[in-house]
Amino acid sequence: DTAVSQTPKYLVTQMGNDKSIKCEQNLGHDTMYWYKQDSKKFLKIMFSYNNKELIINETVPNRFSPKSPDKAHLNLHINSLELGDSAVYFCASSPRTGHYGYTFGSGTRLTVV
Amino acid sequence: AQSVTQPDIHITVSEGASLELRCNYSYGATPYLFWYVQSPGQGLQLLLKYFSGDTLVQGIKGFEAEFKRSQSSFNLRKPSVHWSDAAEYFCAVGVENAGNMLTFGGGTRLMVKP
Repeated sequence: DTAVSQTPKYLVTQMGNDKSIKCEQNLGHDTMYWYKQDSKKFLKIMFSYNNKELIINETVPNRFSPKSPDKAHLNLHINSLELGDSAVYFCASSPRTGHYGYTFGSGTRLTVV
Repeated sequence: AQSVTQPDIHITVSEGASLELRCNYSYGATPYLFWYVQSPGQGLQLLLKYFSGDTLVQGIKGFEAEFKRSQSSFNLRKPSVHWSDAAEYFCAVGVENAGNMLTFGGGTRLMVKP
């Protein structure tokens, strides 16, 4: 049973489209994250949520909007996709704020054409 | 702000040889330090972490890392590499009161020759 699952695993879409990536964790963790890994493998945090409350929003364009309907889910919606949004997006979770034991999902490879 | 540098983008070692992957960090106080491994098409898996105490930490899969405050380093080592260790390795730093945010280095790709 996958601890942190992301769907879809691959996403190819045209510029200007709107798309969503879903993330679910079954670990009972309080804190969830979205990280972006660019083509050079550089990983950078985008958002952090603790118990459905936004904790970190790291200078991400407004086109990116996270949504946490409950503490087990953190979805990422992207409007008006641009070529530069192509990357691998990782969801992760940790037991609580102050606990750095991240569990990562396997990633969603987004390709914008 | 904290930062992490992994000076080696690629490293190739022979199977059975020893391995050391370098990591340097920049942060004013003692950071929390981590090594993660990413296999192709997979998420990141935690190998080991350092918060405080003994500066030599043991992790999974036979890896260890040593925190050296004077050198601002947290190098990852393994005495004998296996072909299955071929992957991308990331060093990361976390700081208190930063919402659990981890700052990652650029990664080192390890290739293992038979």
